[in-house]
Amino acid sequence: ETGVTQSPTHLIKTRGQQVTLRCSSQSGHNTVSWYQQALGQGPQFIFQYYREEENGRGNFPPRFSGLQFPNYSSELNVNALELDDSALYLCASSLGPLETQYFGPGTRLLVL
Amino acid sequence: KNQVEQSPQSLIILEGKNCTLQCNYTVSPFSNLRWYKQDTGRGPVSLTIMTFSENTKSNGRYTATLDADTKQSSLHITASQLSDSASYICVVGRVTGGGNKLTFGTGTQLKVEL
Repeated sequence: ETGVTQSPTHLIKTRGQQVTLRCSSQSGHNTVSWYQQALGQGPQFIFQYYREEENGRGNFPPRFSGLQFPNYSSELNVNALELDDSALYLCASSLGPLETQYFGPGTRLLVL
Repeated sequence: KNQVEQSPQSLIILEGKNCTLQCNYTVSPFSNLRWYKQDTGRGPVSLTIMTFSENTKSNGRYTATLDADTKQSSLHITASQLSDSASYICVVGRVTGGGNKLTFGTGTQLKVEL
């Protein structure tokens, strides 16, 4: 176990809805990164938060947003859900932006 | 374009045998290269991480190599075990004006059989 937890474990939504996924980082870690992993694919970088500020963003539209709290836990919000948003969403925490990332178990999202 | 390609896509080996997985990348500017093991339905777990100046790193039965000139890396697994069955993902990091970004390969699916 990495000490990184995510909730919920599974989620079913319909097109157009909004979803919030949560991640608790490992103790002492100030950086959280979010990834989207489609079935059979490698994870795709969504964005990274370092000390409550966004510290890098991948090629995802603005309807993917996030934040990091003072305790370094984090949320990923997705608005106007589309069918292609169905995937495993992974968060990873690290001691810093360039340090080894420790992944949580993921949240599996299904959009119908 | 920043890409990470892995080969083979899948591999089946007998328990106790060795195997080598390949990773080629075009990510620039290069910062580091990591290998992760991902069991089905779980998050990836870090095996090794190497920077530009390192060309080999071991973690138990796992040994990673890096040739930054040819932009290639390999992961060698010695004396495979059934528990090695998983997806092995090569990840290359780069530091940009927008922060630290990782590019993931699609992984090599390894199955170890009796």
